[in-house]
Amino acid sequence: NAGVTQTPKFRVLKTGQSMTLLCAQDMNHEYMYWYRQDPGMGLRLIHYSVGEGTTAKGEVPDGYNVSRLKKQNFLLGLESAAPSQTSVYFCASSQTGSLTGELFFGEGSRLTVL
Amino acid sequence: AQSVTQLGSHVSVSEGALVLLRCNYSSSVPPYLFWYVQYPNQGLQLLLKYTTGATLVKGINGFEAEFKKSETSFHLTKPSAHMSDAAEYFCAVSAREEYNFNKFYFGSGTKLNVKP
Repeated sequence: NAGVTQTPKFRVLKTGQSMTLLCAQDMNHEYMYWYRQDPGMGLRLIHYSVGEGTTAKGEVPDGYNVSRLKKQNFLLGLESAAPSQTSVYFCASSQTGSLTGELFFGEGSRLTVL
Repeated sequence: AQSVTQLGSHVSVSEGALVLLRCNYSSSVPPYLFWYVQYPNQGLQLLLKYTTGATLVKGINGFEAEFKKSETSFHLTKPSAHMSDAAEYFCAVSAREEYNFNKFYFGSGTKLNVKP
């Protein structure tokens, strides 16, 4: 009954370091998303994927890269972390890209960049 | 462009009191509207959604929301608050973007505090 799983849940980085957040879903969903959540700003879409091997930019893609090599996994990478990337990151998935579809979220990954 | 405005970043009610969380949207026709709830240290989960049909939508845990097109609103209510309702609530609207991608626009969230 895992749903959407994110690892790691917490991470502290120094400015300039790189890291990768992993999102895994076991619901065979086609669509996957990475959001960041900042106080007072709700959720903002970073990147998304409409299927294995395809990715696209969202609202705030700068400083991030993604890959979807396997349908069940969606990776978010930070090549050179900056303090402005301190945030809580949420991965989500949906069965289709339907306008009425439900998003299923992971529990979040809290990243602090010093 | 689509947008969602949630009035009040923090709302505090007493246990047993009415809960009213406000959401206004701007969207092209038709709007598809959602409320998600986020409990502490958890991801968001769907509370309810409006797609078509009845404008009063019932969700989980006794919550409901009414779609009012004339007011471009989708306020969330619950007649009697429970301590377990303390969480952050997000209103969202979905819209079709380029390349047939359906994007969700989230409001900035309202934190609900329930006092004993």
